[in-house]
Amino acid sequence: NAGVTQTPKFRVLKTGQSMTLLCAQDMNHEYMYWYRQDPGMGLRLIHYSVGEGTTAKGEVPDGYNVSRLKKQNFLLGLESAAPSQTSVYFCASSSPTDMNTEAFFGQGTRLTVV
Amino acid sequence: AQSVAQPEDQVNVAEGNPLTVKCTYSVSGNPYLFWYVQYPNRGLQFLLKYITGDNLVKGSYGFEAEFNKSQTSFHLKKPSALVSDSALYFCAVTDYGQNFVFGPGTRLSVLP
Repeated sequence: NAGVTQTPKFRVLKTGQSMTLLCAQDMNHEYMYWYRQDPGMGLRLIHYSVGEGTTAKGEVPDGYNVSRLKKQNFLLGLESAAPSQTSVYFCASSSPTDMNTEAFFGQGTRLTVV
Repeated sequence: AQSVAQPEDQVNVAEGNPLTVKCTYSVSGNPYLFWYVQYPNRGLQFLLKYITGDNLVKGSYGFEAEFNKSQTSFHLKKPSALVSDSALYFCAVTDYGQNFVFGPGTRLSVLP
């Protein structure tokens, strides 16, 4: 049971380059999330999705785009990377029933923009 | 809007002593509360949750948390700390499992 899988695990980008982070979950969860983690700031929500074909902005959406074409996948795109986007990115998924409301997290992607 | 506060950046405790990691929250409706732990270079692992019912919730690795509605708190506790408990701990709140709002995290160091 893989749970939530993120690819890649590490990446170094030059300013202005683009890239896509892939998140895949095999738990048939409706909800998926992208967070960034920065020292002393906890996890901040970038974008989220409550179902296939739907996305919504979180707390810090600027500079990012997302797509949820398939229920199991949630893609995070950076069109023109900036040094301020250097961070650790986490994907999570959840299924909001009364019994199973917790979010399950991937292992993270460490992104450095130089 | 929901928010979570973890008033301590760092908590130090001696091995074998009880530990407490504090969390207070703000939410408009009924709170769903969670604790997660993060070990170095790893993702977040779920420890325990409060949805409804008994105010004392037991979770993984001997951890427990007490929900206090009047004080809007959800403090994480363990009767006897282990060195292996040293990690970063996050409290989170959600409104029925849609958007998870996390606190800034508390680094727990258990000293041998």
